[in-house]
Amino acid sequence: QQQVKQSPQSLIVQKGGISIINCAYENTAFDYFPWYQQFPGKGPALLIAIRPDVSEKKEGRFTISFNKSAKQFSLHIMDSQPGDSATYFCAARGYGGSQGNLIFGKGTKLSVKP
Amino acid sequence: NAGVTQTPKFRVLKTGQSMTLLCAQDMNHEYMYWYRQDPGMGLRLIHYSVGEGTTAKGEVPDGYNVSRLKKQNFLLGLESAAPSQTSVYFCASTLAGHTQYFGPGTRLTVL
Repeated sequence: QQQVKQSPQSLIVQKGGISIINCAYENTAFDYFPWYQQFPGKGPALLIAIRPDVSEKKEGRFTISFNKSAKQFSLHIMDSQPGDSATYFCAARGYGGSQGNLIFGKGTKLSVKP
Repeated sequence: NAGVTQTPKFRVLKTGQSMTLLCAQDMNHEYMYWYRQDPGMGLRLIHYSVGEGTTAKGEVPDGYNVSRLKKQNFLLGLESAAPSQTSVYFCASTLAGHTQYFGPGTRLTVL
């Protein structure tokens, strides 16, 4: 079974700090790596995504760093705010057929303290 | 544009009862998915569909059936509910395998 391993399971950060969530994968055929954000009682929503041909993608305070050789990618939240408190899921997708389905990590619950 | 909607939002079943969860999307998406979310387990794919009239098994299909008679609807059925099926169920859709849009979820409790 293909896996995406996510850590840590939970994270507490002070307001203004940097939140870092890491993910690792095994399948080199994965070609798309999204991060989803989920607030309590809501469905997940796409936050930011990256393809393996770039090493970094930044959108506002959110940055994905991608290390293809190490098969790892991470989400960095700069200047973390209480409104960022949510569960974050990394995911990976292969290409074509059932390989096109997203494989999700188990999630990281982020709490940003004021 | 409502996006992805799910009904019902909450449901309590007794062991052995049956029910159907309805997912509807108005974005003309080809692909639709059913996931279950359990604490510490992330999102696990139950069944999915790549187009009207087609369905396929995901990671955890046992105890569930699905149908995609219309492009905009994807139904998830539990024929004989078990306590292990207590979970939050999410439906999602996507146009061509990229961004998945999720519904608000159905919280199911099986007693």
